[in-house]
Amino acid sequence: DAKTTQPTSMDCAEGRAANLPCNHSTISGNEYVYWYRQIHSQGPQYIIHGLKNNETNEMASLIITEDRKSSTLILPHATLRDTAVYYCIVLSGGYQKVTFGTGTKLQVIP
Amino acid sequence: NAGVMQNPRHLVRRRGQEARLRCSPMKGHSHVYWYRQLPEEGLKFMVYLQKENIIDESGMPKERFSAEFPKEGPSILRIQQVVRGDSAAYFCASSPSRGGASTDTQYFGPGTRLTVL
Repeated sequence: DAKTTQPTSMDCAEGRAANLPCNHSTISGNEYVYWYRQIHSQGPQYIIHGLKNNETNEMASLIITEDRKSSTLILPHATLRDTAVYYCIVLSGGYQKVTFGTGTKLQVIP
Repeated sequence: NAGVMQNPRHLVRRRGQEARLRCSPMKGHSHVYWYRQLPEEGLKFMVYLQKENIIDESGMPKERFSAEFPKEGPSILRIQQVVRGDSAAYFCASSPSRGGASTDTQYFGPGTRLTVL
């Protein structure tokens, strides 16, 4: 699976959009971009995933660049409960063992 | 639809005892994964199971650790003769089986926090 690079930490003001970047320059054509988050030692929570097209669900939006070498997770209106470590992961189809890196520690500030 | 269930949520064992961690996957999911998270570290893959089969145990320590996913009942992660270094959070995830080129999203349980005294 392709390796990802994320900033170690970010701050975001409550109510503003949180934009979390991820680089995955070695991604291959059949690999998906997944985002999970872990709120203070709880189980990782699935957020969103995509292959080529931008995706949106009730939690977030995922913007994938045309060359697929990077992506951005957008939380449109960050709340204090969004404070967590966010993991960007690249996975191929079918069976996958998820490898969690260090992620981005997002701190939402009142 | 209930999520992934794990029990117990907290488990305390003395060195040398056995620890049994249970995981009930989401309804309709036939794939189970176990991960371990040491304090201040990321999750590390341990084992991947389907019903009655271990598919990938490349992340499991060679000794004292075993896992099963029987035809009926939850998946069990068993740690024999626990040592202090086994203290960690153990997370289970499950996914459906769609096969083919589509990817199967894993959904995680709340974890079991094992403390070895």
